[in-house]
Amino acid sequence: DAGITQSPRHKVTETGTPVTLRCHQTENHRYMYWYRQDPGHGLRLIHYSYGVKDTDKGEVSDGYSVSRSKTEDFLLTLESATSSQTSVYFCAISARGGYTFGSGTRLTVV
Amino acid sequence: SQQGEEDPQALSIQEGENATMNCSYKTSINNLQWYRQNSGRGLVHLILIRSNEREKHSGRLRVTLDTSKKSSSLLITASRAADTASYFCATDAISNNNDMRFGAGTRLTVKP
Repeated sequence: DAGITQSPRHKVTETGTPVTLRCHQTENHRYMYWYRQDPGHGLRLIHYSYGVKDTDKGEVSDGYSVSRSKTEDFLLTLESATSSQTSVYFCAISARGGYTFGSGTRLTVV
Repeated sequence: SQQGEEDPQALSIQEGENATMNCSYKTSINNLQWYRQNSGRGLVHLILIRSNEREKHSGRLRVTLDTSKKSSSLLITASRAADTASYFCATDAISNNNDMRFGAGTRLTVKP
């Protein structure tokens, strides 16, 4: 999707290890979001940021932390990955009229 | 918790037919948006309707909003096989610090 990229696209990790997902935007938008998508739940907000070093929790923030040291990068860290964090993670930016989403990161915790 | 709930969960129609999906929500909103997601891809924004609007059109899409019933509908006219996707409503509720909350989606299959 134009202007927003996520990395990696796929990752398999072991239970208990830390994992960091990256979201990069080239649109200079102030607001950025991390969601997870699971069958039957739609998208649920994990954390969001409203500026450099300004972040806040969403509805499913336990076990996750975020950082935003530059406008263009928003990092999501799973401090100690658990099997319940196996999911597809989407980053989004808030643009005029709606959100623009990245292509997602499929994370499997084994 | 989800703010929007789509209905039906799955819908299968023939090409050329119209598809109607519904969304209900719980609290007062600023706006409601519809998104589409093809398998394995990110969500794509389709249309936004504000709380003071009742109907909006975009190409073959028609969205209605009834704030008294806390519900919205998305109509896709003259459906095509390429419309096969999941469709999500999302609400920007005042009570959620204006964060977007998504429903679980409607899976639409259009048979050629």
